[in-house]
Amino acid sequence: EVQLLESGGGFVQPGGSLRLSCAASGISFSTFAMHWVRQAPGKGLEWVSALSDSGDATYYSDSVRGRFTISRDNSKNTLFLHLNNLRVEDTAVYYCARDRLTASFDYWGQGTLVTVSS
Amino acid sequence: QSILTQPPSVSAAPGQKVTISCSGSSSNIGNNYVSWYQQLPGTAPKLLIYDNNQRPSGIPDRFSGSKSDTSATLGITGLQTGDEADYYCASWDSGLAIALFGGGTKLTVL
Repeated sequence: EVQLLESGGGFVQPGGSLRLSCAASGISFSTFAMHWVRQAPGKGLEWVSALSDSGDATYYSDSVRGRFTISRDNSKNTLFLHLNNLRVEDTAVYYCARDRLTASFDYWGQGTLVTVSS
Repeated sequence: QSILTQPPSVSAAPGQKVTISCSGSSSNIGNNYVSWYQQLPGTAPKLLIYDNNQRPSGIPDRFSGSKSDTSATLGITGLQTGDEADYYCASWDSGLAIALFGGGTKLTVL
């Protein structure tokens, strides 16, 4: 079965940290760029970050640059997002998605909820 | 406010056709591919159209995409109640080196 499975979400106070994981199975992973996309409650999709297939090129939205770090372990078919210095406005469902080649996302995970609140 | 502009909502009757627009600029839609996504309530987005007008396997030909200059359009014919969802366009922005999503359009099938 084709699957991207996110984990690691949870409740954290402002200024805290989390590490999200996205495990791929049933699909090719190591030869594709991967992205994180988030969706705040009741809001639209917001692109967060991308990582090249080899892991040597990273991209971030202005809202998370300097606080979030994207990485991958191709030997374990897993994508990560390290979230530091979290803010209330980072509260969202975080999705991982595979980039089929042209910044179009053909596979998505089910999402993991991050809640930042005091 | 999103860089890619979509109408907040559209509506049409079952069996009719609807179009959803997505307006950008030369740094994104004008020089990069556009993709479209359907998001049903409580679910992850689903790819409907990639590379401006290509449908992934399993997407019915009721869904179509087109692009002209700095704008793109998603068309849906033979509307069904099951098409009620939020629809998003997306494109890469070469100037900013980021991916962009439109603000989303809520489709209501009356």
